[in-house]
Amino acid sequence: DTGVSQDPRHKITKRGQNVTFRCDPISEHNRLYWYRQTLGQGPEFLTYFQNEAQLEKSRLLSDRFSAERPKGSFSTLEIQRTEQGDSAMYLCASGTRGVNEKLFFGSGTQLSVL
Amino acid sequence: AQSVTQLGSHVSVSEGALVLLRCNYSSSVPPYLFWYVQYPNQGLQLLLKYTSAATLVKGINGFEAEFKKSETSFHLTKPSAHMSDAAEYFCAVSEGTGGFKTIFGAGTRLFVKA
Repeated sequence: DTGVSQDPRHKITKRGQNVTFRCDPISEHNRLYWYRQTLGQGPEFLTYFQNEAQLEKSRLLSDRFSAERPKGSFSTLEIQRTEQGDSAMYLCASGTRGVNEKLFFGSGTQLSVL
Repeated sequence: AQSVTQLGSHVSVSEGALVLLRCNYSSSVPPYLFWYVQYPNQGLQLLLKYTSAATLVKGINGFEAEFKKSETSFHLTKPSAHMSDAAEYFCAVSEGTGGFKTIFGAGTRLFVKA
């Protein structure tokens, strides 16, 4: 168990640019989640995958956001035409399906849009 | 609809003193309840989880929480604070298994004074 890893840890970009984040879940976990956390708030659910299928999307996820999980392994979250309001910590978590599901979180990617 | 309210964005205790972090929830169905801890520059780590098996739930690092349905509360306690407990704590509620159904509170930052 090497844990959930996210890359990069920090990203600074200019408004209007596209950014992509990567998440590598724990290998045996079939569920993968993306959350967004802003300063002084708890994580907010964005989207989740069961294997390679994207099963739920929050209304927080605008058309500028897209997530993929090819082959049910790592996942990417892309934000197009970034806005200053996109500045936040983007957290990835993985877990296994079932009543005893436990989420394991990565350390997050801190996005700053200038 | 679910919601979580954490009373007090900041709590300060002396080392060795009782830790009490308050959480009230709202749920239309019997909920799953969680406490997570987040250390600086790290992801969230599950402290404990209530799934209706027992109202008093023991977690890691000496923390425990009691589910009180009549008060819709799930307060987190630890008899004796340690300096290493200084972190941000999040209460969360879920109406089912799956992280996509989990709503997090805004968090309480715990400070521990020597």
